[in-house]
Amino acid sequence: KAGVTQTPRYLIKTRGQQVTLSCSPISGHRSVSWYQQTPGQGLQFLFEYFSETQRNKGNFPGRFSGRQFSNSRSEMNVSTLELGDSALYLCASSLAGSSSYNSPLHFGNGTRLTVT
Amino acid sequence: ILNVEQSPQSLHVQEGDSTNFTCSFPSSNFYALHWYRWETAKSPEALFVMTLNGDEKKKGRISATLNTKEGYSYLYIKGSQPEDSATYLCACVNDYKLSFGAGTTVTVRA
Repeated sequence: KAGVTQTPRYLIKTRGQQVTLSCSPISGHRSVSWYQQTPGQGLQFLFEYFSETQRNKGNFPGRFSGRQFSNSRSEMNVSTLELGDSALYLCASSLAGSSSYNSPLHFGNGTRLTVT
Repeated sequence: ILNVEQSPQSLHVQEGDSTNFTCSFPSSNFYALHWYRWETAKSPEALFVMTLNGDEKKKGRISATLNTKEGYSYLYIKGSQPEDSATYLCACVNDYKLSFGAGTTVTVRA
């Protein structure tokens, strides 16, 4: 079974630009969640989608948005990039939705975003 | 934002020694506790998901315990090997929201 696939692996953008990251979950997984990791910080929860609906959202500004398609693939968009958005962005898929977090998350390899 | 704390932040272990470290979390509205291992240049890998007070899980030389009443979980590594070197993350689910700790980075010296 193929794992969680994130594209691209690396991105370099300039302040003010926008970026879209993609995540393809494990086949059969309907929940996709996104996380940001910056140096010295733990994984910060961005949002979670289940069956094309955003079920939970973390404490990030509205510049961060996402969506999920009918095939469970998910995209995350960041508009008006700031230097502080430089981070590793991880997505994870799981069998269960946000109301049942007793199934483990399966992570992708992440997208390393650098904003200059 | 939940306050999930892991201690210590890092530790160095001699090969063959056993070690353990802690994850502390709010005990109110607790739903589940996850442990993940994150090796350099790889993606985090699930170790355990625990939900019940008193739960104990084991995977090879790694085991974990859970105390939901006092809000802590221990992860144990028995007979550490160089391949155990990684950052170990815990994540707590309260009110259906998952929050990660900052991790404990374990370095096993040969």
